[in-house]
Amino acid sequence: KQEVTQIPAALSVPEGENLVLNCSFTDSAIYNLQWFRQDPGKGLTSLLLIQSSQREQTSGRLNASLDKSSGRSTLYIAASQPGDSATYLCAVRGVTGGGNKLTFGTGTQLKVEL
Amino acid sequence: DTAVSQTPKYLVTQMGNDKSIKCEQNLGHDTMYWYKQDSKKFLKIMFSYNNKELIINETVPNRFSPKSPDKAHLNLHINSLELGDSAVYFCASSFSGGAEPQHFGDGTRLSIL
Repeated sequence: KQEVTQIPAALSVPEGENLVLNCSFTDSAIYNLQWFRQDPGKGLTSLLLIQSSQREQTSGRLNASLDKSSGRSTLYIAASQPGDSATYLCAVRGVTGGGNKLTFGTGTQLKVEL
Repeated sequence: DTAVSQTPKYLVTQMGNDKSIKCEQNLGHDTMYWYKQDSKKFLKIMFSYNNKELIINETVPNRFSPKSPDKAHLNLHINSLELGDSAVYFCASSFSGGAEPQHFGDGTRLSIL
């Protein structure tokens, strides 16, 4: 059974800092890993998707890496801004169940302060 | 313009009632999902449908009955609502096969009184 863990559970940083969010998963039989952002009371916004054959993906100030064999992914946020404050979720799409099942991590609640 | 839309956005009702949540996607996807986010913000899959056929059912009580009239719609009907059903329910859609991202609706916030 796939289990996804995110560390830290909460993080508070001053504006401008670079930061790293961590995600680990127990079953390396995955199609891809997706990072989401969730603002309070809102839905999920997809940030980056990394296929199992890829090592990293970049979008603007965001960079996500994937080490499938060790079951780890990181989300790097450069030059953080108050608008980055949100909960960040990683989710893996497992091979079992026809590849249609996303298993979510527990989330990291990020606060970027002025 | 909305890709995955859910209605209603908020639902407040009493214990024991029956309610439905509707979901529609205009992305041409063949697979749709229902997820539940509990009070601790943990998201877990409930159901998945591919071309109107149920393919994932994650040990959800049979008071929950999904229905997919066509591949663009997936509705969730809940009978005899209980306090523990209070949560945010998210609909999502994607192409099947594993390589494509899932797209999520804004969620339906269900509160049981």
